[in-house]
Amino acid sequence: KAGVTQTPRYLIKTRGQQVTLSCSPISGHRSVSWYQQTPGQGLQFLFEYFSETQRNKGNFPGRFSGRQFSNSRSEMNVSTLELGDSALYLCASSLGLAFSTYNEQFFGPGTRLTVL
Amino acid sequence: TQLLEQSPQFLSIQEGENLTVYCNSSSVFSSLQWYRQEPGEGPVLLVTVVTGGEVKKLKRLTFQFGDARKDSSLHITAAQPGDTGLYLCAGPNYGGSQGNLIFGKGTKLSVKP
Repeated sequence: KAGVTQTPRYLIKTRGQQVTLSCSPISGHRSVSWYQQTPGQGLQFLFEYFSETQRNKGNFPGRFSGRQFSNSRSEMNVSTLELGDSALYLCASSLGLAFSTYNEQFFGPGTRLTVL
Repeated sequence: TQLLEQSPQFLSIQEGENLTVYCNSSSVFSSLQWYRQEPGEGPVLLVTVVTGGEVKKLKRLTFQFGDARKDSSLHITAAQPGDTGLYLCAGPNYGGSQGNLIFGKGTKLSVKP
């Protein structure tokens, strides 16, 4: 079956702009989680959506937002971009809520965002 | 706040050598997962350990969960260049707004032929 897909794979923006990233989960998966990965901080949880509802949110400012559609596809938006937002943004899908021990998360290849 | 600390941060070895990487916390985890991430890709789950003292083997990789469920280790026997990548441990965090899974910062392994 097809894996998790993320678009675009690479993105270059300037400070102050906004950006929307897209994630298509594995067919049948209802949970989509988003993570930010940087060399300094590692992988940090942004938020998780399950059945179109945000179920959990990490410690990120309100400039980071997301949504999930009825087909489980998800988007995340970052407004008023800052240099520190440069990172690899990963999404992961799973059948149920991601923190459940036996729920395997499948990660996409990520979107590499560079803010100039 | 639950934290996972991984060591070493970087490891460069020759093909055929053995190695162990560690994942430690001061908190108890109900389970821990190990992932491997290769350049340009997302992490891929290798194993989930659930029971204190549990040992799981995946070909040349051996994973152990500490008796107190506060630490885990990954041992690779006779490393190969294909083992090169970033090894991440992760555990579920049920409290507050910290999110669903917390990750260690990883061990970057390079295996030279």
